[in-house]
Amino acid sequence: DAGVIQSPRHEVTEMGQEVTLRCKPISGHNSLFWYRQTMMRGLELLIYFNNNVPIDDSGMPEDRFSAKMPNASFSTLKIQPSEPRDSAVYFCASSLIGQSPNQPQHFGDGTRLSIL
Amino acid sequence: EDQVTQSPEALRLQEGESSSLNCSYTVSGLRGLFWYRQDPGKGPEFLFTLYSAGEEKEKERLKATLTKKESFLHITAPKPEDSATYLCAVQANTNAGKSTFGDGTTLTVKP
Repeated sequence: DAGVIQSPRHEVTEMGQEVTLRCKPISGHNSLFWYRQTMMRGLELLIYFNNNVPIDDSGMPEDRFSAKMPNASFSTLKIQPSEPRDSAVYFCASSLIGQSPNQPQHFGDGTRLSIL
Repeated sequence: EDQVTQSPEALRLQEGESSSLNCSYTVSGLRGLFWYRQDPGKGPEFLFTLYSAGEEKEKERLKATLTKKESFLHITAPKPEDSATYLCAVQANTNAGKSTFGDGTTLTVKP
């Protein structure tokens, strides 16, 4: 089975540019999560969706960040305008919530973002 | 607020030298505790789920245990390929699906 697919794997861009990260969750999963990982702050949850609806976006750093999930098989995380402090590895994960036993999250291999 | 603290931050072992990683947690009603392994340049990979105190799970050289306040990941006779960062995460009954992660323990096993 295909796992969570993220693109691009690497992105280098200049400050002020718009950045769009993409994620395809595992088919059949009903929840999708966006995380950011840095050495200083570890793995931080930015936002998560259940059945394509944003449930908790309290981790989104500021208005420059936005996320959408137009359908069950696709999500985007957008940063506009980007800043050097946004440099990090961004992970997407998906899961099946509401099942018993409780299901783990399955992660993609991340997008390594560098803002110059 | 749910909290997860992992120790030590880093652990260096000789091949064959058994040890344990600790995950201490506070959560408002534990729905599940998860262990993941993360290799450099990769996303976290699921290892185990534990649901209640006293539960144990095993996979090859790894065994995870759970009490009401902490979980241990025991590594028996580790090999260099066990080198990775091990992450612990908890889910609360009040927030199904959302996980709170610890900062991880980076394990290095020398041949």
